[in-house]
Amino acid sequence: SAVISQKPSRDICQRGTSLTIQCQVDSQVTMMFWYRQQPGQSLTLIATANQGSEATYESGFVIDKFPISRPNLTFSTLTVSNMSPEDSSIYLCSARGTRSGNTIYFGEGSWLTVV
Amino acid sequence: QKEVEQNSGPLSVPEGAIASLNCTYSDRGSQSFFWYRQYSGKSPELIMFIYSNGDKEDGRFTAQLNKASQYVSLLIRDSQPSDSATYLCAVTPGGYQKVTFGTGTKLQVIP
Repeated sequence: SAVISQKPSRDICQRGTSLTIQCQVDSQVTMMFWYRQQPGQSLTLIATANQGSEATYESGFVIDKFPISRPNLTFSTLTVSNMSPEDSSIYLCSARGTRSGNTIYFGEGSWLTVV
Repeated sequence: QKEVEQNSGPLSVPEGAIASLNCTYSDRGSQSFFWYRQYSGKSPELIMFIYSNGDKEDGRFTAQLNKASQYVSLLIRDSQPSDSATYLCAVTPGGYQKVTFGTGTKLQVIP
């Protein structure tokens, strides 16, 4: 399985600020994804992070609010912009690729609380 | 209709019993099916995946797939209190396409 490291693991953020979450995978992967899990809810896919090009966003998510970068095969960032309390959530980086086959593995998550 | 449906539970089973978790999906083109376990405050961890009709066993876990009925299940034998968690079913059309998750079933194993 792929080892996926995320940071920060937890943060308390002020309303109106932005925070960038970093995700590092220990091996080359073909696909990286960002999910959100709001309290008591299941996982919602935000976007697929594409290497060297713009991310592919799911319905309800836009680049201005959740800019994503993926400069190489093993690293991606998600920024949560102009945060509001509704953005309080767990943000999960996940990866899928050659070593993991068809399976998706998750990082430990970044727990954001917006006050 | 939700793409992947699970009963939210909680499903309560006594210690040592078999826990049966069920999942239905709407896309007949789905090819790959996954079960994840998520403890409270933790990220999901993969338990099993299954691609072919029938049963697949791994230790105390058995995944069952019936593509004709668009149904996948997870059986946990000899349930332990440590199995108490939310179990997420995930489905994908195959290849490197996006994975869709169900809302999860909360399992409680009573000592």
